[in-house]
Amino acid sequence: AQSVTQPDIHITVSEGASLELRCNYSYGATPYLFWYVQSPGQGLQLLLKYFSGDTLVQGIKGFEAEFKRSQSSFNLRKPSVHWSDAAEYFCAVGTLFYNQGGKLIFGQGTELSVKP
Amino acid sequence: GAGVSQSPSNKVTEKGKDVELRCDPISGHTALYWYRQSLGQGLEFLIYFQGNSAPDKSGLPSDRFSAERTGGSVSTLTIQRTQQEDSAVYLCASSLAGLTDTQYFGPGTRLTVL
Repeated sequence: AQSVTQPDIHITVSEGASLELRCNYSYGATPYLFWYVQSPGQGLQLLLKYFSGDTLVQGIKGFEAEFKRSQSSFNLRKPSVHWSDAAEYFCAVGTLFYNQGGKLIFGQGTELSVKP
Repeated sequence: GAGVSQSPSNKVTEKGKDVELRCDPISGHTALYWYRQSLGQGLEFLIYFQGNSAPDKSGLPSDRFSAERTGGSVSTLTIQRTQQEDSAVYLCASSLAGLTDTQYFGPGTRLTVL
């Protein structure tokens, strides 16, 4: 069965420091991978997604993620964190339905705190 | 343009009562999803609608849960005989069509079952 693991429940980084959030997935075929962010009181927002091609994916708000098939990982990175990045981050794998739609299977989330 | 809207934003009900949660997807989006977010289970898929196809109900946790989508637009998630474990935030998302299209999420309905 498909699954997503985010090993870190909570991470604290200093403003201006670099960030890496870990995500490991289990999926039999080529995965469709996503990172979403959920800020307090706000809905889930897509940061970036990977389907195929270049394994380094650029997203919004200066985030990027790298797909590594050999490690079954899709880690999210940002070179310099801003206080406004404090939020909960969810990694997800998409599973295809017969009609090309699909559902997202989410990890448990990583809560990011940013120290001034 | 307008995003996905959900109503009510909060719902408090007593155990055993039925509740209806509403989702208005983005205009033109043929795919609609319901997810549930709870402390114990995280974010879980519930049900998926695509155009006029039969919905995928594989994520519904019990037969007390049902959903419909009228006219290919608005969707209602109904929970009958609510239980305390149904307390969660129910999220709706819509997308243009397939999995490769971005799913846009609504703000959710927070359901509390007393």
